[in-house]
Amino acid sequence: DIQMTQSPSSLSASVGDRVTITCQASQDITNYLNWYQQRPGKAPNLLICDASDLETGVPSRFSGNGSGTDFTFTISSLQPEDVATYYCQQYDSLPLTFGGGTKVEIK
Amino acid sequence: EVQLVESGGGLVQPGGSLRLSCAASAFTFDDYAMHWVRQAPGKGLEWVSGISWNSGITAYADSVKGRFTISRDNAKNCLYLQMNSLRAEDTALYYCAKLTVAAGSGPLDLWGQGTLVTVSP
Repeated sequence: DIQMTQSPSSLSASVGDRVTITCQASQDITNYLNWYQQRPGKAPNLLICDASDLETGVPSRFSGNGSGTDFTFTISSLQPEDVATYYCQQYDSLPLTFGGGTKVEIK
Repeated sequence: EVQLVESGGGLVQPGGSLRLSCAASAFTFDDYAMHWVRQAPGKGLEWVSGISWNSGITAYADSVKGRFTISRDNAKNCLYLQMNSLRAEDTALYYCAKLTVAAGSGPLDLWGQGTLVTVSP
């Protein structure tokens, strides 16, 4: 199985700050990497697929980058509604595997 | 409205069984593979099982293999998860989720609200 290591596990930042989350795969997954946002008490929501493609309707302050084993997810200007836990997920092969999550809070 | 609605969760004793259902609406259900993902209380996301558009391919996490069975009824736009020999560690919120393609793996672009399964004496 492909292991996904996500860091940090939590962070606290101010409104307007740039926030970056990293995700590392245990083997080369090319760009088969998605990012999800899970707001408190809600189901996950797909934000970015194929490492960098923003889903329709997702604000442009969200972005993703990377290929191979190393990926980043960035919020360019943190907003109060971005409080959530963010997960990376690989789909190079089954089983689908998720990173451990990054809880983002407002300072 | 495009949506997935899970049902069938509840409290069950260890060793018991439950059948989860997921009703799909407002999209062509049989064009897409479907998956189950669970989330234990306060924990992260764990993939459980997936099924291709025509039920020809199924896959399971090692943690549930031999105990859970995924199925679908395309005529009823419904996905199922039969869970047998339940254990305390199966306690979780179970989400059904739609894949963006008909089979295999990929992004999960539509999720239900989840149904809670609690395994306890």
